[in-house]
Amino acid sequence: ETGVTQTPRHLVMGMTNKKSLKCEQHLGHNAMYWYKQSAKKPLELMFVYSLEERVENNSVPSRFSPECPNSSHLFLHLHTLQPEDSALYLCASSQDQSRDTEAFFGQGTRLTVV
Amino acid sequence: GQQVMQIPQYQHVQEGEDFTTYCNSSTTLSNIQWYKQRPGGHPVFLIQLVKSGEVKKQKRLTFQFGEAKKNSSLHITATQTTDVGTYFCAGPRGGNKLTFGTGTQLKVEL
Repeated sequence: ETGVTQTPRHLVMGMTNKKSLKCEQHLGHNAMYWYKQSAKKPLELMFVYSLEERVENNSVPSRFSPECPNSSHLFLHLHTLQPEDSALYLCASSQDQSRDTEAFFGQGTRLTVV
Repeated sequence: GQQVMQIPQYQHVQEGEDFTTYCNSSTTLSNIQWYKQRPGGHPVFLIQLVKSGEVKKQKRLTFQFGEAKKNSSLHITATQTTDVGTYFCAGPRGGNKLTFGTGTQLKVEL
């Protein structure tokens, strides 16, 4: 529907698990983003990729590891997470990260760490 | 760093009443974007304002960008139940790295 697809939609994982979130965009965009949305907090930008190159890492803990194999796909690898990492993780894309253009968001992955 | 605040945090209105949310940035913005997130949904782009003092309308929604390009507002006339959701403003920080506001959650009661 939005052109940006995220899987899975819901994920429950233990603190010792390793899992990956997947994002795919069908819009021909060059920039992709990971955002974290926690309850009662504004959307936080985590990572920015432009043409598969990481251009920003907003002091995100190393237990979150992004991967961008091509301009259409973005992954977020998760390992040894903490309960406070439970949140909605949103992927977004835009035409170009250097220009002021709208962001298209995926439907998000609701992550619960137990 | 750049901070973007919105007020109010929550707003309950009766259907047919007007609604306004205000957005204030700690720094001057090259543009301001507005997004709407329905309950259980994801943010969806509404509009972008670029020029100082710019006003844009989308049906019952009126968006305004301040003269100093540090604040913005969204006004909804005669709210409907379909307007329910959280409204976010967002300002770019170096290219398209958006800093989102804290959001205003709108509830509309019949």
